[in-house]
Amino acid sequence: AQKITQTQPGMFVQEKEAVTLDCTYDTSDQSYGLFWYKQPSSGEMIFLIYQGSYDEQNATEGRYSLNFQKARKSANLVISASQLGDSAMYFCAMRELNNAGNMLTFGGGTRLMVKP
Amino acid sequence: KAGVTQTPRYLIKTRGQQVTLSCSPISGHRSVSWYQQTPGQGLQFLFEYFSETQRNKGNFPGRFSGRQFSNSRSEMNVSTLELGDSALYLCASSLPSISGANVLTFGAGSRLTVL
Repeated sequence: AQKITQTQPGMFVQEKEAVTLDCTYDTSDQSYGLFWYKQPSSGEMIFLIYQGSYDEQNATEGRYSLNFQKARKSANLVISASQLGDSAMYFCAMRELNNAGNMLTFGGGTRLMVKP
Repeated sequence: KAGVTQTPRYLIKTRGQQVTLSCSPISGHRSVSWYQQTPGQGLQFLFEYFSETQRNKGNFPGRFSGRQFSNSRSEMNVSTLELGDSALYLCASSLPSISGANVLTFGAGSRLTVL
């Protein structure tokens, strides 16, 4: 069974500094996708970045990058130049592609707090 | 374009009642998924509908049910509410493709409180 682990319940970062949010996953499938979502206090989940298991390069989207280490089964999110608006819950999620559907398995989340 | 719309945003029910939540997906999205979010259990997959058919189902009791209409709008129903059903219920829609990069777009959720 697939599993996502986020070991940092909460983190502080100083505004304008970079921060890494950890995510490890467990799956027996060779073909899968990894996602990061941001959830502000309003509740809506906002898609940030995607990494496919066969992608050779780490994904980047603006200030977000994904440090993908397949052998270690980790997919850490790096946020550069943190902003106050980055304060939110962050969730790592996985989809196994042998499943004929769009089901995501989520980690427990990390609450990021950006200090001015 | 309009995002995923969930109604109602907030509701309060008492134990034993039933509740129906609605989700209107992004235009053109035919897959609709539902998730339950609680402080204790986190985000858990409830079910997914595609072209009016349930494609996947999570590990929830039969009190939780859903359906999808021909216009892709979806509803979920919880019968005989229990205190533990208090949660944020999130709906997500996506394109029909099941490729890895297919992104789920979430609504703002329906926050259910059971008293």
